[in-house]
Amino acid sequence: KQEVTQIPAALSVPEGENLVLNCSFTDSAIYNLQWFRQDPGKGLTSLLLIQSSQREQTSGRLNASLDKSSGRSTLYIAASQPGDSATYLCAGGAGSYQLTFGKGTKLSVIP
Amino acid sequence: NAGVTQTPKFQVLKTGQSMTLQCAQDMNHEYMSWYRQDPGMGLRLIHYSVGAGITDQGEVPNGYNVSRSTTEDFPLRLLSAAPSQTSVYFCASRPSLAADTQYFGPGTRLTVL
Repeated sequence: KQEVTQIPAALSVPEGENLVLNCSFTDSAIYNLQWFRQDPGKGLTSLLLIQSSQREQTSGRLNASLDKSSGRSTLYIAASQPGDSATYLCAGGAGSYQLTFGKGTKLSVIP
Repeated sequence: NAGVTQTPKFQVLKTGQSMTLQCAQDMNHEYMSWYRQDPGMGLRLIHYSVGAGITDQGEVPNGYNVSRSTTEDFPLRLLSAAPSQTSVYFCASRPSLAADTQYFGPGTRLTVL
């Protein structure tokens, strides 16, 4: 059974800092790896999706990488802004239908 | 497009009551699913559907029923609510099994007393 772990559970950084969020998974036969953002009281918004054949994906100030051999993914946020404050979730897709979610990292960007 | 919509946003039930959480999408997506989100547990899959008339169980299906009579709607039924079902429920959809990006609804916050 796929297990997804996110460390740290919470992170506080000053505005403008570059930061990395970590995600690890146990099943290297991962189909894809997705990063989501969740604002308080809201649903999830997909940020980046990396297929198993890819190494990384970029969108604006966000860059996500995938290393299947080590069972790790990272989400890099450049020049963080207070508007980036949210909970970031990673989810591993194994097989056809199911996503296994990590518990998330709550990010606070301090002005 | 309204995307994925869920009703109600909030609900309080007494133990033993039944209710239906509604989910609808207007994107003609084949695949729909229900998750629950609990503090310290992450999101867990309850039930999913790969098309109208086809449903299957996820990780935590007990106490919940689903049906998929149309492509647009995927209601989740609680037959006899229990305090352990207090949670935030999210509905999600995606175009097909080959399309990986999932679109989530805003959630329903359910409290069972």
